[in-house]
Amino acid sequence: EVKLVESGGGLVQPGGSLRLSCRASGLRFSNHWMGWVRQSPGRGLEWLTKINEDGSEKLSVDSVKGRFIISRDNAMNSLYLQMNSLRVEDTAVYYCVRDSRKNGCLFGGPGTLVTVAS
Amino acid sequence: QPVVTQEPSLTVSPGGTVTLTCASSTGAVTSDFSSNWFRQKPGQTPTSLIYATVNRYSWTPARISGSLLGGKAALTLSGVLPEDEADYYCLLFDDYDWVFGGGTKLTVL
Repeated sequence: EVKLVESGGGLVQPGGSLRLSCRASGLRFSNHWMGWVRQSPGRGLEWLTKINEDGSEKLSVDSVKGRFIISRDNAMNSLYLQMNSLRVEDTAVYYCVRDSRKNGCLFGGPGTLVTVAS
Repeated sequence: QPVVTQEPSLTVSPGGTVTLTCASSTGAVTSDFSSNWFRQKPGQTPTSLIYATVNRYSWTPARISGSLLGGKAALTLSGVLPEDEADYYCLLFDDYDWVFGGGTKLTVL
């Protein structure tokens, strides 16, 4: 069973920073692209960013480009999201996902809530 | 970025059949879009149902199926149960990246 346990969320002021973590188990982490998805309160899902197997390739949507940085540590089976210059509209539950066109995109954890407010 | 469109809401009777669709602003959805479908109930993490257009996971009931229909990705639920009431999201690999649809709220009534 794939498990992706997110952590690091919390309350932060506009303009602040936060680092999210995701610990993976039940999959060969280093064999997969991984990504972050968020869901704002009462809203739909938004794919934010993804990273390839060795961390050499990263893609992000325009709304977070230049502010959010994805990274990974394959030795620790961990994925990270450094979030800078946070805005009120970044308030959401953030999910770590396995990214695979061949085997499917999988959510594996409860997500972590980020609240940006003064 | 492409826009992926789903029906905002659908209603189905228990025991009935319903098809949800997923369209792309870039054109007809094909197998290259590797469509995924997810179900989300209130307060829960989305659960994967279908991947690569037609493939079920081990936990996906056989009465749930994915397909391509009229240039769109489609999710069909047969023999609908009350517990199928949920939000359903499609995900397409569109223009070199993943894009979610806005979701369909399925009501079983």
